[in-house]
Amino acid sequence: EVQLVQSGAEVKKPGESLKISCKGSGYSFTSYRIGWVRQMPGKGLEWMGIIDPGDSQSRYSPSFHGQVTVSADKSISTVYLQWSSLKASDNAMYYCGRHRTSGSQDAFDIWGQGTMLTVSS
Amino acid sequence: DIQMTQSPSTLSASVGDRVTITCRASQSISTWLAWYQQKPGKAPKLLIYKASSLESGVPSRFSGSGSGTEFTLTISSLQPDDFATYYCQQYDSYLYTFGQGTKLEIK
Repeated sequence: EVQLVQSGAEVKKPGESLKISCKGSGYSFTSYRIGWVRQMPGKGLEWMGIIDPGDSQSRYSPSFHGQVTVSADKSISTVYLQWSSLKASDNAMYYCGRHRTSGSQDAFDIWGQGTMLTVSS
Repeated sequence: DIQMTQSPSTLSASVGDRVTITCRASQSISTWLAWYQQKPGKAPKLLIYKASSLESGVPSRFSGSGSGTEFTLTISSLQPDDFATYYCQQYDSYLYTFGQGTKLEIK
């Protein structure tokens, strides 16, 4: 079964660092990019960034550039989203999604279950 | 940045209705547009890619059309399972943007 499995919910304090993960299985991990999407409580989807696990090249939304880091470890089929100093405004659900690019079928076709982040003092 | 604007923000409809959601891009994106459905507490689900291609396993009552800057998602006959929030998303050179969403409610 093709799936993305994300790490569990996190409760952190402002100023703390965090790395959440997204592990792919059931497909050739380096053949698809993985993107991250934020959803703040009661709000819409916001694309944050994307990485090609094959060469670890990443791109970011201007809104998130410098605020987060996306990385990958292809040896364990895992992509990460990292913060160096969390803020209360980072409270949100974070989804990873597999981006399909072959044959003009570009879209996020498989999604993780989401990781809920709570940042509170 | 390419901005995506969906309308309406909320749509009230009944089972069996035909509904259309519109998505406009701030500049031409050819047909690099996808549509997703999201239910509360769940991850998004891909419905349509490349503006009009139906994702495998998605019911044929869903259809997409458009190119350039104006796109539509149509549900031909609403079913109870279709009440959810719908998002368009554009893809342009490794950069992506979602529309703000359209919540489809039961009338």
